[in-house]
Order: sequence, then structure tokens, then C-alpha cells
Amino acid sequence: EAQVTQNPRYLITVTGKKLTVTCSQNMNHEYMSWYRQDPGLGLRQIYYSMNVEVTDKGDVPEGYKVSRKEKRNFPLILESPSPNQTSLYFCATSSSGPYNEQFFGPGTRLTVL
Amino acid sequence: AQRVTQPEKLLSVFKGAPVELKCNYSYSGSPELFWYVQYSRQRLQLLLRHISRESIKGFTADLNKGETSFHLKKPFAQEEDSAMYYCALSSYNSWGKFQFGAGTQVVVTP
Repeated sequence: EAQVTQNPRYLITVTGKKLTVTCSQNMNHEYMSWYRQDPGLGLRQIYYSMNVEVTDKGDVPEGYKVSRKEKRNFPLILESPSPNQTSLYFCATSSSGPYNEQFFGPGTRLTVL
Repeated sequence: AQRVTQPEKLLSVFKGAPVELKCNYSYSGSPELFWYVQYSRQRLQLLLRHISRESIKGFTADLNKGETSFHLKKPFAQEEDSAMYYCALSSYNSWGKFQFGAGTQVVVTP
């Protein structure tokens, strides 16, 4: 079964404590992307990766890092989380770019105290 | 810069009535426009994209380059259409960037 998974699904942490949200897909997709969803703002792109070893910034990359060492995984790293990073995070994948259909993960709800 | 505007945060319609969700965009090149939908307790999923020129679940959307709009329409709303709808924009020229609008919550009442 084609899947996009995210872990953890829920996380409460404190300011400054490094964390990683994982995203994994078994669809052999080249493109992966991270978004954050905030009330009234919709989804905003954080980072994306067109293929392995190629990543680039979206609209709101500050405070986040990513890596794409293998096709199936695209972790989102918060080196020093702050309360303004409290949000709902979604990972998405598509076969070759965002102009094709994107398949979304279930979301990770992060609270930074 | 790319920008997507959805002016309505909430749209409440009666079952069987027409529904139109507005979407305007700003982009200097040739955009690819999409509508994504999020039903309650389900993942965000693609509803339709302008390049496909399809009608999905009775919904249609026409790209109007003169008015820079991509409004979503359905002639007869059903209760199962209640969901959050996002207009979104991409382009082959903008590499991997993707922009969503703020979303419109649609509530269909019987």
C-alpha cells in the first residue's frame, strides 16, 4: 500500500530542545516537501527536495533544517525550537514536482512551550 | 512573487444550492493551479487541477488568465462537500516552490 508516514504524530517540547520529525514514503517519489499549517494562513512551504541530495528553501525556512540522504526519507529538524514554531506540520510527496499531484502525510502537531 | 488569495474564510450553503469558492492569484509566468481538499479526519488530497480540465465530484474550475482567477464551482452542493478547500499554485519555472491560499471552510447544511 502506498504510504506517506510521519513520526511522531504529536509532540510537546520545550524551547531550545532539538527535535526531528521524520517523513517516509514508499512511493518511489522524487519530490518531497514540508509545510506548516496555521489558522488563517493556510499551508506554507518550509523546504522542498526535488530529488536526493537536492533541497531548497520554501517561503518560511527560518528555524528549520532538512536533509535528503535517501529517496524515501525527508526529516525536518528544529535545532532550537521556539514557541512560534508551534504548528501542524505536513509532509508531502509527488512523482517529480509539485505540479504533479502531491500526496500528504497525516500531519504532526507540535507544541513548543 | 507568487501569491494565492482566497477571500472567503467560511462559506455556508444549503444542500442543493450552487457553491462557488473564489481564488485569485498573482504570478508573472505560466501558473499551474490546483484545488486541494481536506475532509474531516482525512488527509489533504488533490481535488482537481486546471491542466486536467476534469470535473471531479461535480466540481469544476476554470482558469481565467485575464482576471487571474481559478474559482471552484459546483451547481448542487451535497452534505459530503463540507470540508476545507485550498487553492494552490505552482509552475514549472519556479522549480519546487508551491503556494497555498489561506483556505475556505465550506459547510453544507441540509
